[in-house]
Amino acid sequence: GAVVSQHPSWVICKSGTSVKIECRSLDFQATTMFWYRQFPKQSLMLMATSNEGSKATYEQGVEKDKFLINHASLTLSTLTVTSAHPEDSSFYICSAPPQAGGGADTQYFGPGTRLTVL
Amino acid sequence: GQQLNQSPQSMFIQEGEDVSMNCTSSSIFNTWLWYKQDPGEGPVLLIALYKAGELTSNGRLTAQFGITRKDSFLNISASIPSDVGIYFCAGHGSGTYKYIFGTGTRLKVLA
Repeated sequence: GAVVSQHPSWVICKSGTSVKIECRSLDFQATTMFWYRQFPKQSLMLMATSNEGSKATYEQGVEKDKFLINHASLTLSTLTVTSAHPEDSSFYICSAPPQAGGGADTQYFGPGTRLTVL
Repeated sequence: GQQLNQSPQSMFIQEGEDVSMNCTSSSIFNTWLWYKQDPGEGPVLLIALYKAGELTSNGRLTAQFGITRKDSFLNISASIPSDVGIYFCAGHGSGTYKYIFGTGTRLKVLA
């Protein structure tokens, strides 16, 4: 299957700082990537859709100024959690469909990033 | 956000037993995916289903796309300890590429 990587795998930061998480498609190009958040023992909740060359689209209730998304190239999307607070602590996972043009017959997930805000 | 109803929420089974879990939606889906997630890791795709009635196998795993297009099930035959984990279904309808995830089934296998 297609390979998606994330960096870092875990990060601990102080309240008020910003954290950047990278999502890369390693063996395919992805014009669209998706960012999810998962709290302990819960399901994955879609936060936003990252679009190469255009603005990200956010799900209802997700603050776009707090969760900045940049799809810099066909293989890289970044999520920046700005002014992080303890309630932002979560497991952040990205995914990408292995088709050009954003068609999403399947999605492959990255390994996730564990964010802990002190 | 919207979620699919997935059952059971959790189950303990003996090694060697078969397992069945299902997912239901209030709306019609065009695609169903089944994932397994181990603690601290991202979900791993197990099976993808694209047509109503489709039955697909992947080793000891078999999944079906319900005829009504509002449900799907996943069977695991002859379970082994490494089957432990959380299984999620995911689906999307027409006109969207965004997947909705099920609430998950936590499987524990007793050796």
